[in-house]
Amino acid sequence: KAGVTQTPRYLIKTRGQQVTLSCSPISGHRSVSWYQQTPGQGLQFLFEYFSETQRNKGNFPGRFSGRQFSNSRSEMNVSTLELGDSALYLCASSWVGGQPQHFGDGTRLSIL
Amino acid sequence: QQQVKQSPQSLIVQKGGISIINCAYENTAFDYFPWYQQFPGKGPALLIAIRPDVSEKKEGRFTISFNKSAKQFSLHIMDSQPGDSATYFCAASPEGGSRLTFGEGTQLTVNP
Repeated sequence: KAGVTQTPRYLIKTRGQQVTLSCSPISGHRSVSWYQQTPGQGLQFLFEYFSETQRNKGNFPGRFSGRQFSNSRSEMNVSTLELGDSALYLCASSWVGGQPQHFGDGTRLSIL
Repeated sequence: QQQVKQSPQSLIVQKGGISIINCAYENTAFDYFPWYQQFPGKGPALLIAIRPDVSEKKEGRFTISFNKSAKQFSLHIMDSQPGDSATYFCAASPEGGSRLTFGEGTQLTVNP
């Protein structure tokens, strides 16, 4: 059974640009959550989607947004990129929401 | 109140020894307590998890001890091996919730 797949693995952008990250959950999983991992702030929850609806949101500015499609795949968008957005962005999926959550290997975003 | 405090920040253990990582939380709404293992370049992988209705859970060399009254839980790795060298994160989430709150992480090094 394939795990959580995130694409691309690496991205380099410049300040002011926008970026879209993609996540394909484990087959059958309907809940997708996104996390940001940085050396300074650690792992922080961004948002969760279930059945194409955002069910929970962390303390991030509105520049961070996401969506989920009918096949449970999810995308995350960051607009007007700032240097501080450089991080590893992780996607996790679970059966119907709740636990356990299984993580992908992330997208490493670097802002120049 | 949403924080999860993890210690130590780093830990060095000899092969065959016991590794112990501790976490403490404040939010009594937390109902699910997983531990994740993360290798460089990889996403966190679920190791073992516990709910407050039990005080201990063991899976192979990994044991979680849970003290509900003290709001503390710990991970014990028995017979530690060099392959266990990784970063370990404790986490917590409320009942039925997907929003994981992570500890700061512990960098474990097991010397041969």
